[in-house]
Amino acid sequence: TQLLEQSPQFLSIQEGENLTVYCNSSSVFSSLQWYRQEPGEGPVLLVTVVTGGEVKKLKRLTFQFGDARKDSSLHITAAQPGDTGLYLCAGSGTYKYIFGTGTRLKVLA
Amino acid sequence: DAGVIQSPRHEVTEMGQEVTLRCKPISGHNSLFWYRQTMMRGLELLIYFNNNVPIDDSGMPEDRFSAKMPNASFSTLKIQPSEPRDSAVYFCASSPQTRDTQYFGPGTRLTVL
Repeated sequence: TQLLEQSPQFLSIQEGENLTVYCNSSSVFSSLQWYRQEPGEGPVLLVTVVTGGEVKKLKRLTFQFGDARKDSSLHITAAQPGDTGLYLCAGSGTYKYIFGTGTRLKVLA
Repeated sequence: DAGVIQSPRHEVTEMGQEVTLRCKPISGHNSLFWYRQTMMRGLELLIYFNNNVPIDDSGMPEDRFSAKMPNASFSTLKIQPSEPRDSAVYFCASSPQTRDTQYFGPGTRLTVL
């Protein structure tokens, strides 16, 4: 069974701090996505990474796909209260698309 | 373009009642997914369809849950009879193909009293 485990599960930080969220698996994924979910809404796609070692930037967010395509990280620089939400990684496995366990981030003003 | 549409947005019902959740996927998407999300269990895949055919319903909790997709533009998730432990947010998502990026609806918050 393919699993995507995220860490940390919960994170509460002050505005302006940096943070990194990890998404790990023992399986190889052909691509990996990161979603953000805000309270009362469905998850919204942030980025897709496809190539091992790929790095993508979205303003203050930096996404990296591991060289072996088994893991990924999301780094946020100078976090803002608007970054608060649930961050989910998801990947195309062998037979289907699976979601990670989620990281719940709260950024305090 | 309209995204995934779900109705109702909120549903409050009493234990034992039948509940029907509705979903309209993005036009042209061939795969449709139903998820349940709770604080304790996170986002759980209940069932997904490809070209209107149910492919994997292994996530459906028990026989009280059923899902249909009579055509490419409509799907329902039914719970009969409902129980308090079914209280959760139910999401519908669609994608061009099964292993592609999924686009989520706003969800239905179900409360069973």
